[in-house]
Amino acid sequence: KNEVEQSPQNLTAQEGEFITINCSYSVGISALHWLQQHPGGGIVSLFMLSSGKKKHGRLIATINIQEKHSSLHITASHPRDSAVYICAVKPYWGRGGAAGNKLTFGGGTRVLVKP
Amino acid sequence: NAGVTQTPKFQVLKTGQSMTLQCAQDMNHNSMYWYRQDPGMGLRLIYYSASEGTTDKGEVPNGYNVSRLNKREFSLRLESAAPSQTSVYFCASTESGLPYEQYFGPGTRLTVT
Repeated sequence: KNEVEQSPQNLTAQEGEFITINCSYSVGISALHWLQQHPGGGIVSLFMLSSGKKKHGRLIATINIQEKHSSLHITASHPRDSAVYICAVKPYWGRGGAAGNKLTFGGGTRVLVKP
Repeated sequence: NAGVTQTPKFQVLKTGQSMTLQCAQDMNHNSMYWYRQDPGMGLRLIYYSASEGTTDKGEVPNGYNVSRLNKREFSLRLESAAPSQTSVYFCASTESGLPYEQYFGPGTRLTVT
């Protein structure tokens, strides 16, 4: 079983719909990242969070540390939101430096927003 | 501020050939990472470097070597390429210490025939 599981693997929505992507993890963490990757493109960090909720524009990320679960919501989705969304966790090894910042990645959720 | 840059963007190799993927960052980050991304596998860590002169193996280091040339540059070398190394390779960097955001390069798409 992977340490980080995302659902769904694929999602198709109509423009304007509310989208939710889920991420569950099985290890203790000190931070969780949500990343975005457009087709053929690089990877961009959207959020890094360790508790509560963060909002940036139409994107909202929440995390429940006790339940080891995070969600990424896209409100009023738009075709330009079509991308792969990746959840990654920083396991809490109690170490600093580069080793402490190693990430474990989920398999990604491919989102297609149709006009 | 270019962030993290990678060269080349695309490469085709024959089995047994060697090549070096270059990565540089201009954010004065201490930590740098090399990942590979394969369909259905997600991103996997190949090697990482805490600082100049220091490197450590990640999850899938076999068939690769790395060099942290200085604080800016972290290269990945394939000594004898194999078809199983066909992948998209990403370099990333971050500050050390506290959980910090990782910044990714644009990727190198490598095909080994």
